Amino acid sequence: EIVLTQSPGTLSLSPGERATLSCRASQSDGNYLAWYQQKHGQAPRLLIYGASRRATGIPDRFSGSGSGTDFTLTISRLEPEDFAVYYCQQYASSPWTFGQGTKVEI
Amino acid sequence: QVQLVESGGGLVKPGGSLRLSCAASGFTFSDYYMSWIRQAPGKGLEWVSYISNSGNTIYYADSVKGRFTTSRDNAKNSLDLQMSSLRAEDTAVYFCARALRWLQPLDSWGQGTLVTVSS
Repeated sequence: EIVLTQSPGTLSLSPGERATLSCRASQSDGNYLAWYQQKHGQAPRLLIYGASRRATGIPDRFSGSGSGTDFTLTISRLEPEDFAVYYCQQYASSPWTFGQGTKVEI
Repeated sequence: QVQLVESGGGLVKPGGSLRLSCAASGFTFSDYYMSWIRQAPGKGLEWVSYISNSGNTIYYADSVKGRFTTSRDNAKNSLDLQMSSLRAEDTAVYFCARALRWLQPLDSWGQGTLVTVSS
């Protein structure tokens, strides 16, 4: 099983600032790494897949990078609607696994 | 537009059973692999199961293997999760989500249905 470890657990920032979220995998199995955003009481929304490809309709302030076992989600300038919890997920092999989440708060 | 609507959640006693459904619309259901993911109150996301577009291939998380059964009816555009021998730790919001194929991410999710296992 591929274990995903996200850091930090919580990121306290202000609108307009840059957010950098990390996801580290226990082993490498291709760049089948996705990032999701979840707001309180809502379903997760796909932001990034294939480590660096933006999903349809996702603003370009969201970007993904990394390969192998180290991946990063960057939000270049935080908008008020970006304050949420972010999860990474690997979909390379069963069992699919998620990181424990990073909360981006004001 | 793509819609995934879960139903069937509720309160059930430990050891009991429950069947969840996910109604799909706005896309060609038979083209997509489907998955169930759950989220315990205040916790993170946990993948539960995954079924291929034909229904021939199904994977389960170890935590539910032997207790949960995933199935789909492509003629009815529906996905089901039959849950039995339920435990308190199965309490969660259950989401259904779709993926275009194996090695593709979950690109659309339903709003979820809450299952509470308690005496």
